[in-house]
Amino acid sequence: AQSVTQLDSQVPVFEEAPVELRCNYSSSVSVYLFWYVQYPNQGLQLLLKYLSGSTLVKGINGFEAEFNKSQTSFHLRKPSVHISDTAEYFCAVAGGTSYGKLTFGQGTILTVHP
Amino acid sequence: NAGVTQTPKFQVLKTGQSMTLQCAQDMNHEYMSWYRQDPGMGLRLIHYSVGAGITDQGEVPNGYNVSRSTTEDFPLRLLSAAPSQTSVYFCASQALILDTQYFGPGTRLTVL
Repeated sequence: AQSVTQLDSQVPVFEEAPVELRCNYSSSVSVYLFWYVQYPNQGLQLLLKYLSGSTLVKGINGFEAEFNKSQTSFHLRKPSVHISDTAEYFCAVAGGTSYGKLTFGQGTILTVHP
Repeated sequence: NAGVTQTPKFQVLKTGQSMTLQCAQDMNHEYMSWYRQDPGMGLRLIHYSVGAGITDQGEVPNGYNVSRSTTEDFPLRLLSAAPSQTSVYFCASQALILDTQYFGPGTRLTVL
C-alpha cells in the first residue's frame, strides 16, 4: 500500500519570499511522485513529476522538487513566490503495482500576501 | 480540443435519488479516473479505467458505479444518493500509465 502525508495544511508567506511545501510518502515498491496545483474553483494541473533519473525535478512556474529516497520525501520549493502562486498544492504517489493509480496527500494551501 | 469536460457543474439531490455525472475527453486517452475531493482529505480515487470495457475500483467505490463503453466517455452513477456523497467530483484522463493526468473542471454535488 502507498500513502502520502503533507506536513502542513496551510503555509502563509509574503510575496518574493522563498517557500517549501513538505511531502513524505510511504510505499513498499518503487515510487513515482507528482505535485499538482489547484487554483480556486478549478481542476488540478501538473506542476512536476519524478519518474526516474535526476532527483532534482524542475516544473512549471519556477517550482522544483527534490526526491530523497532515504528520507522518503519529495518537498516542493520555489525561491521567490508571487501573489498568483496562491493555490492549493497536492503531492501524489503512484506505486509500482498500482498501474498508475494515484494516491493524493491532504493538500497544502499556500497563501501569498503582498 | 476541449480536453476533459464534465456535466453538470452543480447538482442538488435528495437522499435516495440517483443520477449520472458525465465525463468526456477528446484526447483519445486510454486511462480515465473519477475522484472525490473533500476538505482536508485531498482527492480520493473512486473508480478507474484502463480502456474501453475495463474498469477497476479505487479507494472509495461504495455507492458508485461506472462503465466504459467508449474511449471518450466515462460516466459515474450514484445509485441511491446519501448525504455522505456531498462532495466535489473530478474526472481525469491520461494517455499512458504514469503520464500527466488532465482534470476536468469538477461537479459540485450536494445531497440533502
